[in-house]
Amino acid sequence: EVQLVESGGGLVQPGGSLRLSCAASGFTFSTYWMSWVRQAPGKGLEWVANIKHDGSGKYYVGSVKGRFTISRDNANNSLYLQMNSLRAEDTALYYCARDSDVSSGGSDYWGQGTLVTVSS
Amino acid sequence: DIQMTQSPPSLSASVGDRVSITCRASQNVDNYVNWYQQKPGKAPDLLIYGASTLKSGVPSRFSGSGSGTDFTLIISSLQPEDFATYYCQQGYSTYTFGQGTKLEIK
Repeated sequence: EVQLVESGGGLVQPGGSLRLSCAASGFTFSTYWMSWVRQAPGKGLEWVANIKHDGSGKYYVGSVKGRFTISRDNANNSLYLQMNSLRAEDTALYYCARDSDVSSGGSDYWGQGTLVTVSS
Repeated sequence: DIQMTQSPPSLSASVGDRVSITCRASQNVDNYVNWYQQKPGKAPDLLIYGASTLKSGVPSRFSGSGSGTDFTLIISSLQPEDFATYYCQQGYSTYTFGQGTKLEIK
């Protein structure tokens, strides 16, 4: 059974940093692209970033470029999102998701999310 | 960046109704459109990928169509469990979601 479990969320002040983690199990992690998607309270979904199966390619939404870094550890079946220079508008539930093995086929498995709150 | 404009933002319907949700891309995205269902307090579920291919296990009352810039999700006969929020997503150039359509019981 595919499982994705996020952790690392919490309350952080504007300008601060946070590192999210996602522990994956139930599939061959090293063969899948992975994504982070966020959802602000009461709002819609926003794709944040994704990473190629081997970590050789990383892609970001414009609003987080230069502030967020996606990475992975295939030996430990883990995905990460390093978030720096956090802003109030980064407040959201952050989901870890497995990208489908169909090219550009979206994300077929999701975790339950970890909440990030940016506030003074 | 490619924008996805989804309509309507909300929709009221009854069990058994046929409903359609549309999504328009700001530029050609071929058939790289996916559709998701999200229920309150839950993560999204992928329903359709490649504009029209149902993910395994998704009921056949769901269907998708379109290519280029205009896409449609149709639910042929609404069931009680279908009342949720639906999102389109383009995968032609990274990913972008539409704003969502909240499907409510009339």
